[in-house]
Amino acid sequence: QKEVEQNSGPLSVPEGAIASLNCTYSDRGSQSFFWYRQYSGKSPELIMFIYSNGDKEDGRFTAQLNKASQYVSLLIRDSQPSDSATYLCAVKASGSARQLTFGSGTQLTVLP
Amino acid sequence: NAGVMQNPRHLVRRRGQEARLRCSPMKGHSHVYWYRQLPEEGLKFMVYLQKENIIDESGMPKERFSAEFPKEGPSILRIQQVVRGDSAAYFCASSRANDNSPLHFGNGTRLTVT
Repeated sequence: QKEVEQNSGPLSVPEGAIASLNCTYSDRGSQSFFWYRQYSGKSPELIMFIYSNGDKEDGRFTAQLNKASQYVSLLIRDSQPSDSATYLCAVKASGSARQLTFGSGTQLTVLP
Repeated sequence: NAGVMQNPRHLVRRRGQEARLRCSPMKGHSHVYWYRQLPEEGLKFMVYLQKENIIDESGMPKERFSAEFPKEGPSILRIQQVVRGDSAAYFCASSRANDNSPLHFGNGTRLTVT
């Protein structure tokens, strides 16, 4: 069973702080990694994707990947109340499969 | 709107009826995926399709559930003889043909079985 694990939270941070969201995966051959944001009652929205070890930055968001440790994280700088949502980590497995396996999500609350 | 289109947004069915959920992929996307999300739970993969082909249905329940993506028209997820446990949000996603293409999700269909 290929698994993606996330701390369910809830994670609370004050406005302006850095929020750090973590994810581990079991399939060592996984190739692609994605972070989605899901507001309550809404659909998942793609925030970031990362394929190579290291950091990838996009605005206030930074994705970090360490394939040796099978670990991927998302940092949100200068957190805003509008960032309050559930963040889903998703992994594309090795082989020909194209579908993503999702973690159960981390609920983030940014306190004004 | 060039995004993934799902309809209906909300669907109410009585136990034993059939539910049909439709999904049109984003323009330029040839791969369709169906996921189910139970309340307070994560997204669970159900089935992955290309035009006229089911590529992977490893997440589909063996009975009552079927999916298709015909040459013309939207992808359909069909649930026969619905039960209360089928109540969930059903999300469709689509992607381009290249291996690492991200999935883009539609707004979902919220199925309620009474």
